[in-house]
Amino acid sequence: SQQGEEDPQALSIQEGENATMNCSYKTSINNLQWYRQNSGRGLVHLILIRSNEREKHSGRLRVTLDTSKKSSSLLITASRAADTASYFCATDAEGNNRLAFGKGNQVVVIP
Amino acid sequence: KAGVTQTPRYLIKTRGQQVTLSCSPISGHRSVSWYQQTPGQGLQFLFEYFSETQRNKGNFPGRFSGRQFSNSRSEMNVSTLELGDSALYLCASSLEVRETQYFGPGTRLLVL
Repeated sequence: SQQGEEDPQALSIQEGENATMNCSYKTSINNLQWYRQNSGRGLVHLILIRSNEREKHSGRLRVTLDTSKKSSSLLITASRAADTASYFCATDAEGNNRLAFGKGNQVVVIP
Repeated sequence: KAGVTQTPRYLIKTRGQQVTLSCSPISGHRSVSWYQQTPGQGLQFLFEYFSETQRNKGNFPGRFSGRQFSNSRSEMNVSTLELGDSALYLCASSLEVRETQYFGPGTRLLVL
């Protein structure tokens, strides 16, 4: 099954800086979603972007989608210590009746 | 609305035993998906139920099974536990499996 792959795998930044992480996938998708997970708890949905959309914003989060390159990026602006978490992308591939999650991207924001 | 709840939160079992995990979805959500999360394999899809029917199944052995009740609550069962079954088991509910999923806190299973 298709799986998004996040890059970089781990990121360490200072509070106030921006954090950018990327997700690549292999086949056509209907939508791509980003989730956050704090310390082994359940995942929290951040943003869903559909294949016909190029950019979406939610608070300090900005997601872009480039279907020609089969990639998406998640930007967190003005990061806070509370943003320390693992971030996952999940793809809804055409023909697959499920979401496929990447392995996650660990972000550490240093106060 | 109340969120997705999972019980129990923690469980310790020994090899060969079986275990049943429970998930109560958000009211009105008919789709319930189960995932296994381990450090090595990441988040892996187990199965999805919609209106009491299993619609999709991941690549797990038959020891892993599930069901969904008429009130959308779901259970998953793992029989003949192996050490490698130690993981965080996450349940997620949604209006439709391909849309936004709402996750429970998970059940952490340790098999000794």
